[in-house]
Amino acid sequence: GNSVTQMEGPVTLSEEAFLTINCTYTATGYPSLFWYVQYPGEGLQLLLKATKADDKGSNKGFEATYRKETTSFHLEKGSVQVSDSAVYFCALVGRAGGTSYGKLTFGQGTILTVHP
Amino acid sequence: NAGVTQTPKFRILKIGQSMTLQCAQDMNHNYMYWYRQDPGMGLKLIYYSVGAGITDKGEVPNGYNVSRSTTEDFPLRLELAAPSQTSVYFCASSSPNRANQETQYFGPGTRLLVL
Repeated sequence: GNSVTQMEGPVTLSEEAFLTINCTYTATGYPSLFWYVQYPGEGLQLLLKATKADDKGSNKGFEATYRKETTSFHLEKGSVQVSDSAVYFCALVGRAGGTSYGKLTFGQGTILTVHP
Repeated sequence: NAGVTQTPKFRILKIGQSMTLQCAQDMNHNYMYWYRQDPGMGLKLIYYSVGAGITDKGEVPNGYNVSRSTTEDFPLRLELAAPSQTSVYFCASSSPNRANQETQYFGPGTRLLVL
């Protein structure tokens, strides 16, 4: 079956530091890949996505590139802010034959805390 | 446009009690989903629906039931609450537009404690 593995957290950074959160996946076919973010006390919201190999998703200064050869979708940001403190989830929608109905498979989430 | 709404926000149940978690969306989305989020475990799919009258099991359906009588509403029913069902429950929906079909919109969640 499909699975997503994220780097262990929590991650603690100072403001303006560089961020990388690693994500690797296992899936048959050509999945779509996502990063969702959950701010304290809120539901998840889409941060960025990529639907095919070598695509780069980007939003709010965050980027991730769909690497099929390494089955990875690492999240990066060049300069984090205190407001980026949240839980980040890597996820995929598989496309191994038939219709996926958009069902997401999530990683375990990575807690990011940014200090001033 | 309220998006996806969930009620209640928080509930304490005794073992063996039942309750219904409500979910509604006003975006005319065909697809709706229920997830549970356990600490350090990510989200697991409980049930999903691809339209009114059509539901199917996800990864962790045991102990839950759903119905979808309208496009807007997708309630989740717990019949006999157990401590293992202590979790945060999220409802989500996705667009019928094929280009955006895979982007899900989440509600704020319901925190459930079973004692």
